[in-house]
Amino acid sequence: GAGVSQSPSNKVTEKGKDVELRCDPISGHTALYWYRQSLGQGLEFLIYFQGNSAPDKSGLPSDRFSAERTGGSVSTLTIQRTQQEDSAVYLCASSQKWADTQYFGPGTRLTVL
Amino acid sequence: GDSVTQMEGPVTLSEEAFLTINCTYTATGYPSLFWYVQYPGEGLQLLLKATKADDKGSNKGFEATYRKETTSFHLEKGSVQVSDSAVYFCAPGIIKAAGNKLTFGGGTRVLVKP
Repeated sequence: GAGVSQSPSNKVTEKGKDVELRCDPISGHTALYWYRQSLGQGLEFLIYFQGNSAPDKSGLPSDRFSAERTGGSVSTLTIQRTQQEDSAVYLCASSQKWADTQYFGPGTRLTVL
Repeated sequence: GDSVTQMEGPVTLSEEAFLTINCTYTATGYPSLFWYVQYPGEGLQLLLKATKADDKGSNKGFEATYRKETTSFHLEKGSVQVSDSAVYFCAPGIIKAAGNKLTFGGGTRVLVKP
């Protein structure tokens, strides 16, 4: 089937605004992950969902960041009161089971002016 | 705490040269080890993986062996091509630290010149 999709592909927002980033995982994948990749940097783990378990939020950089996964499928990452340091590419990945091979989406490039 | 250490780049090579990218980790008990690759303008994708100690993963001429005794998973290719220019990320399946975080290495940019 289709791979992991993310929307929007690009988002430009003003400092202080809220943004929502969407991820559609591969159908049937029980695990879903969010990462952040800043320019020229590596991957920063943010949060993951595994089945119906409560998400592990330990990687979220601040309480302005939150995420939910509805019906065990689509996930939304919300950033409230965006700051310029939030500018990055936000990547979503899914896997059949926890810590298995991850399939990445194309990412959402967020620019906070 | 537990961590992944990956060779820093950029690495610049000529075509047909031998490539090694070192990756070591400081924890034990990973169920699998992975190398992911990000080609210019493309998304991250799996390059190869090894699921247990002494396993060798291979793909596209790249190889990496899961060395539990040295806690390493070095990536090698005997003869690189221009098309191998990319950023390579080492990743263990799980970091057994607080919160079971997933951690990728910092990435190694490889540039192969004709």
